[in-house]
Amino acid sequence: KNEVEQSPQNLTAQEGEFITINCSYSVGISALHWLQQHPGGGIVSLFMLSSGKKKHGRLIATINIQEKHSSLHITASHPRDSAVYICAATYNNNDMRFGAGTRLTVKP
Amino acid sequence: DAGVTQSPTHLIKTRGQQVTLRCSPKSGHDTVSWYQQALGQGPQFIFQYYEEEERQRGNFPDRFSGHQFPNYSSELNVNALLLGDSALYLCASWERQTIDYGYTFGSGTRLTVV
Repeated sequence: KNEVEQSPQNLTAQEGEFITINCSYSVGISALHWLQQHPGGGIVSLFMLSSGKKKHGRLIATINIQEKHSSLHITASHPRDSAVYICAATYNNNDMRFGAGTRLTVKP
Repeated sequence: DAGVTQSPTHLIKTRGQQVTLRCSPKSGHDTVSWYQQALGQGPQFIFQYYEEEERQRGNFPDRFSGHQFPNYSSELNVNALLLGDSALYLCASWERQTIDYGYTFGSGTRLTVV
């Protein structure tokens, strides 16, 4: 069983919709990461959080330590948001455990 | 400010051969981790290097080995290549001593084993 579980696996939305991607992790972590991967492979780090909530533009990431759950929200989605979004957990030994990713397609 | 640089970007090798992939970390970063990402899957942790030593290792066989140089750059070596080693190999770097573990990823090396 993967230590980091993401849902949904695939998500299709219309431009302008509010999007939520969920992530659950099985054991205590030092940080939770949200990453974005476009076709071609390059990964961009969107957020790293260990508590509470962070916001950057139209992106919002939240984490609930007690429930071992994090969400990534995208407001007013746009076709350029289409990508794979990956949740990853960093443990005390600093290595990342990755979720399988959520493939988001935003249609105009 | 250059980010993480990986080379080559693409590589085709024959089963049984050996391959070396290279990673130059972001300026100011001293720790490098390597990940393997098979098509359609999330990355899997291979190993992590700090102070020229392997500090952590994921569930990968000894055919996968690495090295870190005094300038913090790193190499990933894979011996006796198998078809299943075909994947995108990603390198990430960060500064170990800072509290904010900001990772920077390279664009990856796509390895195809035929």
